[in-house]
Amino acid sequence: NAGVTQTPKFRVLKTGQSMTLLCAQDMNHEYMYWYRQDPGMGLRLIHYSVGEGTTAKGEVPDGYNVSRLKKQNFLLGLESAAPSQTSVYFCASSWTGYEQYFGPGTRLTVT
Amino acid sequence: DQQVKQNSPSLSVQEGRISILNCDYTNSMFDYFLWYKKYPAEGPTFLISISSIKDKNEDGRFTVFLNKSAKHLSLHIVPSQPGDSAVYFCAASRGSNYKLTFGKGTLLTVNP
Repeated sequence: NAGVTQTPKFRVLKTGQSMTLLCAQDMNHEYMYWYRQDPGMGLRLIHYSVGEGTTAKGEVPDGYNVSRLKKQNFLLGLESAAPSQTSVYFCASSWTGYEQYFGPGTRLTVT
Repeated sequence: DQQVKQNSPSLSVQEGRISILNCDYTNSMFDYFLWYKKYPAEGPTFLISISSIKDKNEDGRFTVFLNKSAKHLSLHIVPSQPGDSAVYFCAASRGSNYKLTFGKGTLLTVNP
C-alpha cells in the first residue's frame, strides 16, 4: 500500500497563476483533509471532506477550492496564487477523523 | 484564538533521560487528544492518543497524561533516544466533528 501520496512534491508559481494539488489514498478512508504548515504556526486546516462528493471549510479556506469526485482523491486548487500562499501543504486521510495518515507534503513557493 | 497551545518551541534532552512535552487547551468541549511526530521533509505520523475518559495511556516508551481540570496534557518519552529528535504536535478533537486542532509544535532534540 502506498498510503497517502501527494503530487507534485515541489512547485514554484508566479503571483496570479493557478494550480491543483492532488492527494490520493489507497486505504479506503472516508475522511480527507488539506492542511498548510507555516513556520511557527503549526498545522492549519484548509478544507476537509467527510466522504465522496462532500467538502467543508476549515480554519483557513480563503483563496483555495477543493473537490472530492472520487473517494480516493482530494484535490486542492489555487485559482490565483498569492505570495501569502507560500507554504508546505499536507494532505491527510482517516477512518475516524482522529488518527490521520499524512502524505509527504508539497512545498509551494509563490513569487 | 489559539485553542491548543504548546508553549515550549523547543526542548533539549540527554539520551536515556526522560523527555516531557506539554500541551494546554482552552476548549472544554475537546474530548480526544493525540500526539503526532514529524521529521523534516516528511508528513506527521500518529504517535499516541487519549480519550477524555482516561487520565493515562501508555505505548512502549511513550505515555500521555491528561489532566482535565487543568486542561493540560503531557507526553513522556522514557528513555529518550536520538531517533526521537523531531517536532511533536499536540492535537485535540471535539465530539465527532471529524477535525483536529493542532498546536504549533515543540522541537525535541535528544543529544547522544
